[in-house]
Amino acid sequence: QTVVTQEPSLTVSPGGTVTLTCASSTGAVTSGVYPNWFQQKPGQAPRALTYSTNNRHSWAPARFSASFLGGKAALTLSGVQPEDEADYYCLLFSAGAHVFGGGTKLTVL
Amino acid sequence: QVQLRQSGPGLVKPSQTLSLTCAISGDSVSSTSAAWNWIRQSPSRGLEWLGRTYYRSKWHNEYAESAKSRIIITPDTSQNQLSLQLNSVTPEDTAVYYCARWLDTTSGSLMDVWGQGTTVTVSS
Repeated sequence: QTVVTQEPSLTVSPGGTVTLTCASSTGAVTSGVYPNWFQQKPGQAPRALTYSTNNRHSWAPARFSASFLGGKAALTLSGVQPEDEADYYCLLFSAGAHVFGGGTKLTVL
Repeated sequence: QVQLRQSGPGLVKPSQTLSLTCAISGDSVSSTSAAWNWIRQSPSRGLEWLGRTYYRSKWHNEYAESAKSRIIITPDTSQNQLSLQLNSVTPEDTAVYYCARWLDTTSGSLMDVWGQGTTVTVSS
């Protein structure tokens, strides 16, 4: 079964830039596994941020961008705001099953 | 605007069956561009996809290996909803359960709409 790995935690300063990554145990992450990124704040359901190569959901600000980096899916936040402090999850689709990463806790400090 | 509204009990006894329903508004459970998923989240297991149902000329169900022996997801076209049954539950099944839509579009595929979540506790 596919295992999807994310950084457990990252810290960024307000106004800074941070990149979160998402790796698959089966090999390089490509558009063929339909990578999705989600933001989740305490007590809320996950909210879709980006999908495919770099399509942002209608609500997601332009400072969120998705890409591929070194065989992984990547989510870059540029000009980080205090309200971006949250948990971030990636989702891949592989062999007929969706698999979530373990999540990255992003601290804005 | 698509909305998913979940309902079901918040407390289930060990060895019994967990049953939840997800009512769909603004889309159809029979949509040929969507798949309807159940997902759960717990501190110990994180976000875990359980399975999905979708219609492409006929109904399809796909389940996570970890749940395959105990799970049934059923579409209900008359009520435009889907349901989750998880049999023989244990305290390990305590989690927040979500339904969610997976949508295929010309620009990509995304899990774009989620239910509000149902906290289910397995305890006697």
